[in-house]
Amino acid sequence: QKEVEQDPGPLSVPEGAIVSLNCTYSNSAFQYFMWYRQYSRKGPELLMYTYSSGNKEDGRFTAQVDKSSKYISLFIRDSQPSDSATYLCASKGTNAGKSTFGDGTTLTVKP
Amino acid sequence: GAVVSQHPSWVICKSGTSVKIECRSLDFQATTMFWYRQFPKQSLMLMATSNEGSKATYEQGVEKDKFLINHASLTLSTLTVTSAHPEDSSFYICSAGPGPLGPFFGPGTRLTVL
Repeated sequence: QKEVEQDPGPLSVPEGAIVSLNCTYSNSAFQYFMWYRQYSRKGPELLMYTYSSGNKEDGRFTAQVDKSSKYISLFIRDSQPSDSATYLCASKGTNAGKSTFGDGTTLTVKP
Repeated sequence: GAVVSQHPSWVICKSGTSVKIECRSLDFQATTMFWYRQFPKQSLMLMATSNEGSKATYEQGVEKDKFLINHASLTLSTLTVTSAHPEDSSFYICSAGPGPLGPFFGPGTRLTVL
């Protein structure tokens, strides 16, 4: 079993829809939770970063972590075609420790 | 956010030659950097952890003699693909992070071995 499991997708939504991307993890030592966006042939870009449980909002993006259920979510409001990309969730246990990534969910937002 | 650069962005080489890829942290010091490879439409695969001033730690199944990693300073790590073959063609990405925030990824290097 992978330490971080991500809903595989692909996911296709119309422009303006609310998108929900989800991951689960199994390692109780994970304390830091990240979401990355990766466009084709580019390096992943850090979108959201959360420590421990709770919600974090940044513009149209909301990251949610529930450590009791080991569940990680990213919500995108008012989705735009420019949001079309692969989204990766990731977790790590310590500041400088290596991150464990999900396999990614490919999102397409249709105009 | 922190900036990580990679050079070159794209390299084409002949089979049997060696290729060096540089990863630099531009506005922070990184005692640890990570190297990944990614095949088309596949997930990131961690190859090794690069530690400044000491030997890299390789993931299981990654040939340390083929993928040489040198982390000579707090802002530079290099990955050398030795005696490259077509099956080594891939997208190589490094990452690093200042403290708990991150890691931040470089833009990646596309390697094509003919």
